[in-house]
Amino acid sequence: DAGVTQSPTHLIKTRGQQVTLRCSPKSGHDTVSWYQQALGQGPQFIFQYYEEEERQRGNFPDRFSGHQFPNYSSELNVNALLLGDSALYLCASSLLRGQLGKNIQYFGAGTRLSVL
Amino acid sequence: EDKVVQSPLSLVVHEGDTVTLNCSYEVTNFRSLLWYKQEKKAPTFLFMLTSSGIEKKSGRLSSILDKKELFSILNITATQTGDSAVYLCAVDNAGNMLTFGGGTRLMVKP
Repeated sequence: DAGVTQSPTHLIKTRGQQVTLRCSPKSGHDTVSWYQQALGQGPQFIFQYYEEEERQRGNFPDRFSGHQFPNYSSELNVNALLLGDSALYLCASSLLRGQLGKNIQYFGAGTRLSVL
Repeated sequence: EDKVVQSPLSLVVHEGDTVTLNCSYEVTNFRSLLWYKQEKKAPTFLFMLTSSGIEKKSGRLSSILDKKELFSILNITATQTGDSAVYLCAVDNAGNMLTFGGGTRLMVKP
């Protein structure tokens, strides 16, 4: 049973460019959440997708956008990259439907984005 | 704004020692508290606690939640070098959104 998979593993971009990160959830999961983890800090919630819609959003600008596909996989897009966007981007999947509030988020290995 | 604070920031111990990691939180709509272990990249799930006073155990690891005083502790007994990692505490605010603390970096020396 494959866990949460993310691609690419590493990415180097320059300021002003755009980037797309991809995530495939754990088998049987229907919800994908994205987190940004700066070096030496805990992950920060970006947004969450369920039933192909953005369900919740953290304190991130509109440059951060996403999408969820019918097969539950998801993409994170970041436009007009800034140096401060350099971080590890983590995807987490969970099963929201019918879980009565006890759903656990399982994380992928992340995409390390470096903005030069 | 939801807030999670972990202490200490880092800890160095020797194999066989017992460690206690702390997590305090302020959340408007608490549903559960989760502990994760992050060795290189992917945080791996350890525990979920929802009720106060319930101690979760998994081998040498255990955790307690105090919903009145708004904190949790993670205990690791008989530490091994494989326990070296960053331990993350997170709170689910009933919106299925996790708010994380800054983590505790544990190094276990042989």
